[in-house]
Amino acid sequence: KQEVTQIPAALSVPEGENLVLNCSFTDSAIYNLQWFRQDPGKGLTSLLLIQSSQREQTSGRLNASLDKSSGRSTLYIAASQPGDSATYLCAVLGAAGNKLTFGGGTRVLVKP
Amino acid sequence: GAVVSQHPSRVICKSGTSVKIECRSLDFQATTMFWYRQFPKKSLMLMATSNEGSKATYEQGVEKDKFLINHASLTLSTLTVTSAHPEDSSFYICSASQVDTQYFGPGTRLTVL
Repeated sequence: KQEVTQIPAALSVPEGENLVLNCSFTDSAIYNLQWFRQDPGKGLTSLLLIQSSQREQTSGRLNASLDKSSGRSTLYIAASQPGDSATYLCAVLGAAGNKLTFGGGTRVLVKP
Repeated sequence: GAVVSQHPSRVICKSGTSVKIECRSLDFQATTMFWYRQFPKKSLMLMATSNEGSKATYEQGVEKDKFLINHASLTLSTLTVTSAHPEDSSFYICSASQVDTQYFGPGTRLTVL
């Protein structure tokens, strides 16, 4: 059974600092890995999707890496802004089917 | 593109009543839809996988008689919480699958008094 862990559970940084969010998964047989953002009481916004054959994806200030063999992904957010404050979730899509398994999330607070 | 809506966004009901939540894919057809539940400050837990025209597949520990799922068309799936109780209060999120990507709805906040 796939298990996804996110560390740290919460993170508070001053504005301008770079953010590093970690995600690990136990079964390396994945189809893809996705990072989401969730604001309080809201749904999910997809940030980046990395296919199993890829090592990283970039979008603006966001960069996500994937090391499938070691079961790890890292989301980097450069030059953080107060608007980046949210919960960030990673999820892996199993290679065997179409089930997404979510990590517990990292709550980020960027202080002005 | 790939927009998923949910209705209602928020519902408050009395204990013992049933509540229906709709999930629609607005601009694409989804043969598979998923229902998730999220407790406060927790992650999403998959409840069931819904395939158009067939019975839903429920995850272990999810009561199928409690959470009725109907996927009558390629753009609509419904979740009915039957005889709701306060412990059913939660945030319910659906997603619709297109190829290998799931697109998520905005969620429905259910509060059972």
